[in-house]
Amino acid sequence: EAGVAQSPRYKIIEKRQSVAFWCNPISGHATLYWYQQILGQGPKLLIQFQNNGVVDDSQLPKDRFSAERLKGVDSTLKIQPAKLEDSAVYLCASSLERREFDEQFFGPGTRLTVL
Amino acid sequence: KQEVTQIPAALSVPEGENLVLNCSFTDSAIYNLQWFRQDPGKGLTSLLLIQSSQREQTSGRLNASLDKSSGRSTLYIAASQPGDSATYLCAATDTGRRALTFGSGTRLQVQP
Repeated sequence: EAGVAQSPRYKIIEKRQSVAFWCNPISGHATLYWYQQILGQGPKLLIQFQNNGVVDDSQLPKDRFSAERLKGVDSTLKIQPAKLEDSAVYLCASSLERREFDEQFFGPGTRLTVL
Repeated sequence: KQEVTQIPAALSVPEGENLVLNCSFTDSAIYNLQWFRQDPGKGLTSLLLIQSSQREQTSGRLNASLDKSSGRSTLYIAASQPGDSATYLCAATDTGRRALTFGSGTRLQVQP
């Protein structure tokens, strides 16, 4: 079974530029998550999708971050404009459905450096 | 709001030692608790998932326990090996939105 795929793996941009990340979850997984992991910290949830609907985006900085999930499968996360503090690893995860004992499976992440 | 704390932040042990990593959480109303391993530059690998109704889970040399009443979980690693060197993260799944709240991790170094 293929795992969660993410691209690109690395991205370096200058502040005020825009950037987009892509995630392809495990086939059949209805729930998709985007997490931000700043160096030395644990991942923090940015947004959660159930199929193509948003379940929770309370911690997403909506003035600069946006995300969508096309047809309930792939997802893109965009930052525009980027700030220095956005330097982090962006992790995508998916789970089968919103059941009590669901396990989340993580992709390798995209490491973003903002100069 | 759930908060997860991990102690210690870093740990260095000689090969062969048994060790315990600690995790505490503030809201005991969790659905489950997961332990993850993260290698440098890599994503997260799930090690153990403890359901809210369980007290512990075991996988090979790893044993994780859960005490919801005290808001604590421990990860026990037996006979540590250099290959165990990594950052270990615990995460609690809350009863509402089902997303994970992570601790900051324990960075483990096992010396050969």
